[in-house]
Amino acid sequence: AQSVAQPEDQVNVAEGNPLTVKCTYSVSGNPYLFWYVQYPNRGLQFLLKYITGDNLVKGSYGFEAEFNKSQTSFHLKKPSALVSDSALYFCAVRDMGSSASKIIFGSGTRLSIRP
Amino acid sequence: DAGVIQSPRHEVTEMGQEVTLRCKPISGHNSLFWYRQTMMRGLELLIYFNNNVPIDDSGMPEDRFSAKMPNASFSTLKIQPSEPRDSAVYFCASTLAMGGFEQYFGPGTRLTVT
Repeated sequence: AQSVAQPEDQVNVAEGNPLTVKCTYSVSGNPYLFWYVQYPNRGLQFLLKYITGDNLVKGSYGFEAEFNKSQTSFHLKKPSALVSDSALYFCAVRDMGSSASKIIFGSGTRLSIRP
Repeated sequence: DAGVIQSPRHEVTEMGQEVTLRCKPISGHNSLFWYRQTMMRGLELLIYFNNNVPIDDSGMPEDRFSAKMPNASFSTLKIQPSEPRDSAVYFCASTLAMGGFEQYFGPGTRLTVT
């Protein structure tokens, strides 16, 4: 069965420093991986995805994610954090065992950027 | 593009009342998902549709919950009777099946059952 794990409930970073939000996955076959962000009192917003190709994927708001097949990881990164990046971040993987469009979300990581 | 539209944005009701949540997916999308989010349980998939047909309703908590999708541009999630433990934020999301697979979420309906 497909799954994703976000090992950190909370990540704290100072503004201007690089940030990393971790995600590991377990799938059979080639993974389709996603990152979403949720700001307070809002729905989830799609940030970026990896399907195939370059292991470094660029997305919205200056975020990028690195796909690492050997470590089964898909960590979200940003070179310089902003206070406005503070939000809840979800990693997700396509559920290959079900109808094509279902994806499985991780438990979420709360990112807090201090000024 | 208007995005996924949900109504109402907030709903406060008394235990035992019927609640109906509404969703309009993005035009052209043919998969629709209903999720529930709480602090305790996080984000849970309740049910999803492909081409208006329910595919997997294994996440629906009990028979008090039902969902319909009478056409490609409208879906409802109904709770009858409602209970305080149903209090949560309910999200609708849509995507193009066999497309990029990324889902686009609505703003959610915050349901409070007293």
